[in-house]
Amino acid sequence: EAGVTQFPSHSVIEKGQTVTLRCDPISGHDNLYWYRRVMGKEIKFLLHFVKESKQDESGMPNNRFLAERTGGTYSTLKVQPAELEDSGVYFCASSQWTGQANTEAFFGQGTRLTVV
Amino acid sequence: ELKVEQNPLFLSMQEGKNYTIYCNYSTTSDRLYWYRQDPGKSLESLFVLLSNGAVKQEGRLMASLDTKARLSTLHITAAVHDLSATYFCAVVETSGSRLTFGEGTQLTVNP
Repeated sequence: EAGVTQFPSHSVIEKGQTVTLRCDPISGHDNLYWYRRVMGKEIKFLLHFVKESKQDESGMPNNRFLAERTGGTYSTLKVQPAELEDSGVYFCASSQWTGQANTEAFFGQGTRLTVV
Repeated sequence: ELKVEQNPLFLSMQEGKNYTIYCNYSTTSDRLYWYRQDPGKSLESLFVLLSNGAVKQEGRLMASLDTKARLSTLHITAAVHDLSATYFCAVVETSGSRLTFGEGTQLTVNP
């Protein structure tokens, strides 16, 4: 079974440009999370989808970030326009609702974003 | 707001030695995870700890949880080079689902 996959693995863009990150969760996982690790700091929560709905987007840093999950399958995270402080590693994770609790979340390998 | 603190943040140790990584958290929690990350790879779940006094062991790693003290430890026994990686603890708040991470401990095991 395929795990959580993220694309691209690396992206280098100039300040002011737009970048779109993609996450394909494990098939059947309703929960999809985005996290970010900036400059060796802790990994911070960005947002949580349940199927196609945003359950919690309290971690989104500002309105330059837009996340979507059309159809409740894969998700995209767009940064527009990118700023230098957006550089970091963006992780995606997915988990399943069993009817009683959420299972453990499985992580993708991350996308390393560098804004120059 | 839930806060998670790990220490040390950097740990350089010799093969064969023992050491402990500490993880403190600030509010009540449903679950605590330990993850390992190798450079450029995904976070690999090592342990999930659910209740006070829980202890889990896998190979040279042992994790424990004290919910009263809001403290978890990851103990490394007789370290080997293959254990070199970054280790994160992460906590799920009671009735929540998102993870709050510590800053990570970058472990280097020297021959």
